[in-house]
Amino acid sequence: GESVGLHLPTLSVQEGDNSIINCAYSNSASDYFIWYKQESGKGPQFIIDIRSNMDKRQGQRVTVLLNKTVKHLSLQIAATQPGDSAVYFCAEEVTGGGNKLTFGTGTQLKVEL
Amino acid sequence: DTEVTQTPKHLVMGMTNKKSLKCEQHMGHRAMYWYKQKAKKPPELMFVYSYEKLSINESVPSRFSPECPNSSLLNLHLHALQPEDSALYLCASSDRQGAGYGYTFGSGTRLTVV
Repeated sequence: GESVGLHLPTLSVQEGDNSIINCAYSNSASDYFIWYKQESGKGPQFIIDIRSNMDKRQGQRVTVLLNKTVKHLSLQIAATQPGDSAVYFCAEEVTGGGNKLTFGTGTQLKVEL
Repeated sequence: DTEVTQTPKHLVMGMTNKKSLKCEQHMGHRAMYWYKQKAKKPPELMFVYSYEKLSINESVPSRFSPECPNSSLLNLHLHALQPEDSALYLCASSDRQGAGYGYTFGSGTRLTVV
């Protein structure tokens, strides 16, 4: 069936370095791809999204890249900070007729001082 | 108010109990969702309400019964649950017209079935 998944379950980076979190998806019908951050004891928090007809979108310290040819999504975090430590989920959304948001498997990002 | 509020934060219930989870938002969002999240796993969609009507039921067992009394409230009624139903139950709302940023999640109810 259709699925969204991640390559690396855990990513450790040094403070100040750039982080790259990857995600593979298989549902070509998705309209949006979204990255969420989830800290312990909290619900997922929206980071950034990208529409399916775009390749790149930038936010504050974050960039999302979408490669539809290989069905790959990535989140780049610049100058990673200790507060970035969390689990990151990619998610895909199919809109219309009851919008459906499906999450990928998640990557634990650990920032080392 | 830009939050989704879920109560209670923690709930322990026996397999013969009946309990309800509550979710409230005052952002004017017309779509509301229930998700279930097991430890170290992604949230899994259970139900979607759009304009107070159930639009998606992801084949959830009938021991979970959702209810949307009005556009600001979403309930999840629980009855005869099993220990494997223990999880974090997340509520979300969205202003949906095609933008992922419209989703706002609550902090969840940590449910333990004994």
